[in-house]
Amino acid sequence: GAVVSQHPSWVICKSGTSVKIECRSLDFQATTMFWYRQFPKQSLMLMATSNEGSKATYEQGVEKDKFLINHASLTLSTLTVTSAHPEDSSFYICSAGSVAGVNEQFFGPGTRLTVL
Amino acid sequence: GENVEQHPSTLSVQEGDSAVIKCTYSDSASNYFPWYKQELGKRPQLIIDIRSNVGEKKDQRIAVTLNKTAKHFSLHITETQPEDSAVYFCAASKTGANNLFFGTGTRLTVIP
Repeated sequence: GAVVSQHPSWVICKSGTSVKIECRSLDFQATTMFWYRQFPKQSLMLMATSNEGSKATYEQGVEKDKFLINHASLTLSTLTVTSAHPEDSSFYICSAGSVAGVNEQFFGPGTRLTVL
Repeated sequence: GENVEQHPSTLSVQEGDSAVIKCTYSDSASNYFPWYKQELGKRPQLIIDIRSNVGEKKDQRIAVTLNKTAKHFSLHITETQPEDSAVYFCAASKTGANNLFFGTGTRLTVIP
């Protein structure tokens, strides 16, 4: 149980285009989903926390107009990188928490974004 | 907010030896401390976690200890094997907040 999928696993796009990444909890309902960014050989940096049906909470320094997060259902959250630039190239990982107030998170396999 | 520090950043051990990774946290309200193992290009996998109501937890070759007074917790891996080679992250969280604050990671290499 507790499987989280992420799609696509990798994407290459031209500068200026927008890219949407999907995160799904396959066998449980996720009250909260998290989006992380990870640079090579570095730790996971929390970008934002999203709760189903409400606006995402962004961490300091993360542009909410650039990284649009939608959590439309208890099993799906999406991250859209708008007008992507080469500096947005990174490994993006989502995670899902199953029960509010219980801290355990289950991670997706990640999406490697390369912006040319 | 919470600040989690992790040491060492790299660790090499001979197969069969023990490995210890240490983390400190700053928020005394944190009460959940998971450890994740991440292999190259893959997702972090939860390997063990501990809550603040216990001081130690063990699962086969892996153990975690917690000192709430000093605000530090450690991961202990005994009888290391080459497949233990990976990056290990500690994290801290508190009930009700849900979000995890990660340490900077430790690259463990087990030399056969």
